[in-house]
Amino acid sequence: AQSVTQLDSHVSVSEGTPVLLRCNYSSSYSPSLFWYVQHPNKGLQLLLKYTSAATLVKGINGFEAEFKKSETSFHLTKPSAHMSDAAEYFCVVSDQDTGGFKTIFGAGTRLFVKA
Amino acid sequence: DAGITQSPRHKVTETGTPVTLRCHQTENHRYMYWYRQDPGHGLRLIHYSYGVKDTDKGEVSDGYSVSRSKTEDFLLTLESATSSQTSVYFCAISGGPSTYEQYFGPGTRLTVT
Repeated sequence: AQSVTQLDSHVSVSEGTPVLLRCNYSSSYSPSLFWYVQHPNKGLQLLLKYTSAATLVKGINGFEAEFKKSETSFHLTKPSAHMSDAAEYFCVVSDQDTGGFKTIFGAGTRLFVKA
Repeated sequence: DAGITQSPRHKVTETGTPVTLRCHQTENHRYMYWYRQDPGHGLRLIHYSYGVKDTDKGEVSDGYSVSRSKTEDFLLTLESATSSQTSVYFCAISGGPSTYEQYFGPGTRLTVT
């Protein structure tokens, strides 16, 4: 069965310092993995996706994520946080099996950026 | 931004009344989805559609029905609203399942009193 665990409900960093948002997943098949960002009172926007190509995936706004199958992880990183990065981030796993396809969202990690 | 609109954007209704939310897209995408977002739960899939008149249930489909009579419109109906259906509802579209990214609408905030 699929599942997604975002290991931190809240992360707080100072502007200019690195960001690490952690995500572990489980899937019986070959999943696709996504990170989405949601700014306050907005819809979700795709940051990046992994679909069995390169394990290091680069996304928008300087974010990247590394797919580690042995650790079943897909952590999101950014070298230097900006105030505009303050938002909620969702890790998503999606795959297809005999029962159809399923997309599961993590509970979200809220990122706070201090000046 | 992907051309997705949701209407209404805000609605307050009473327990037991029917409610219909509309999602409209201008991207001609085959797949459309309805999610609800509640604190601590992320987004949970209610129903999705993989073509005109082709729909399937998600993980939290009880109390909801959907219809898709045209490619561009996907309707979500709460036949008899309950307080537990107070939530923010998001519509999304994609070109295909699983490996395809989804594009989200702005959301509808529904309050059932």
